[in-house]
This record gives sequence, C-alpha cells and structure tokens, in this order.
Amino acid sequence: NAGVMQNPRHLVRRRGQEARLRCSPMKGHSHVYWYRQLPEEGLKFMVYLQKENIIDESGMPKERFSAEFPKEGPSILRIQQVVRGDSAAYFCASSPPGHNSPLHFGNGTRLTVT
Amino acid sequence: AQSVAQPEDQVNVAEGNPLTVKCTYSVSGNPYLFWYVQYPNRGLQFLLKYITGDNLVKGSYGFEAEFNKSQTSFHLKKPSALVSDSALYFCAVREGNTPLVFGKGTRLSVIA
Repeated sequence: NAGVMQNPRHLVRRRGQEARLRCSPMKGHSHVYWYRQLPEEGLKFMVYLQKENIIDESGMPKERFSAEFPKEGPSILRIQQVVRGDSAAYFCASSPPGHNSPLHFGNGTRLTVT
Repeated sequence: AQSVAQPEDQVNVAEGNPLTVKCTYSVSGNPYLFWYVQYPNRGLQFLLKYITGDNLVKGSYGFEAEFNKSQTSFHLKKPSALVSDSALYFCAVREGNTPLVFGKGTRLSVIA
C-alpha cells in the first residue's frame, strides 16, 4: 500500500514566484490536512479538506495561500508571491472518515525561498 | 481551544534504561490523544492513540502511554530504551471534529 505521497521533496523558489505543493492521500482516504513545520517547532495546522470541499482553513494565512482537493487528482497547496518567511517544511496528512482515526503523514516538501 | 504542552525540549537516557516523554493537554470536552515520532527529513509516524477505555495504551515499537484524566497528562513511556529510539516525539490532541493540535516536540537522545 502506497503511503501519502508528496512532491516535490525539495522546492526552491525566488521571492515573488509561486510554489505548488502536491499531495496524494493514501488509497481509501478522503480527508486531507496540510501542516507547516518551522525549524525546531511543532506542526502548525493550516487547512483540512475533503474532496472538492474546504472543511476548515482557520490556520491558513489570509493572503497568498490557497488549497484545493479536486474530485480527480492530488491536493494542491499553492503559495503565491513567496517570501523568505514561507521557507519551511510542509506536510500533508490523510485519514479515513472519523475523528479518532490517526493521520498518516507524507515525507513533506521542504520549501526554500531565496 | 485545545492545546498541548511538552515541557521538555530534550530528554537524554542511557540505552536499556526506561524512558518517559511528558505531555499535558487542555480541552473542554473529551480528548483524543496521539503520539507521533519523526525521524530526520521524514514525516511523522503514528505510534499510539487514546480514545476511550483502558488508561494504559500500547503502541508500536514497544511504546506505551498512560492517560491520566485528573492530571490531564498523556506521558509516553518505554521500559528499555534503544539507540534507534532517538528521534523527535510529538504529542497531539483532538476534540471532536477539530484539527489535530501538536505540541512543540521533545527530542529524545538515547546514549549507548
């Protein structure tokens, strides 16, 4: 069984460019979560999606960040006009329905903004 | 809103000795509690969870955790540490259908 797949593993962008991070959930999982991890810090929740729906985006910055989980294809986290402060590891997790189900994490995308 | 505290940034233990990684939580209702481990340049791996029932929960790789409602704690334990247990450990809490909230993590170092 393939786990949660994230790509790319590493992404370098110059200030002002766009970053697109992709996440394919585990087979059978319909819930996707995005988290951001800064060095020596825990994971900060960003957004929770189900197919074609954003359920909770309370952790998303109000500007430049957006996320989608279309009917077909991976979930996408999009960061427009990146700034140096966006440099971080971005982790995607998926789970089946049910709030006592553990999240299964991908290996993350490490974004570096130069 | 729910929150998690991991009071120790770093825990050092000798190989073969028991280990404890501390976690306390704050929720307004009934908590769902989780422990995850992270190895360098990897995502988080699920270790164990407490939902309801027995206060002592057993998980992967010989780890266990004890839920203590009166102390609002969920400490991670292992009777005999291995060098390969050295990693970053995260406690997390969820209440109902809210997102999983993580602590800042505790770096465990097991010395041979």
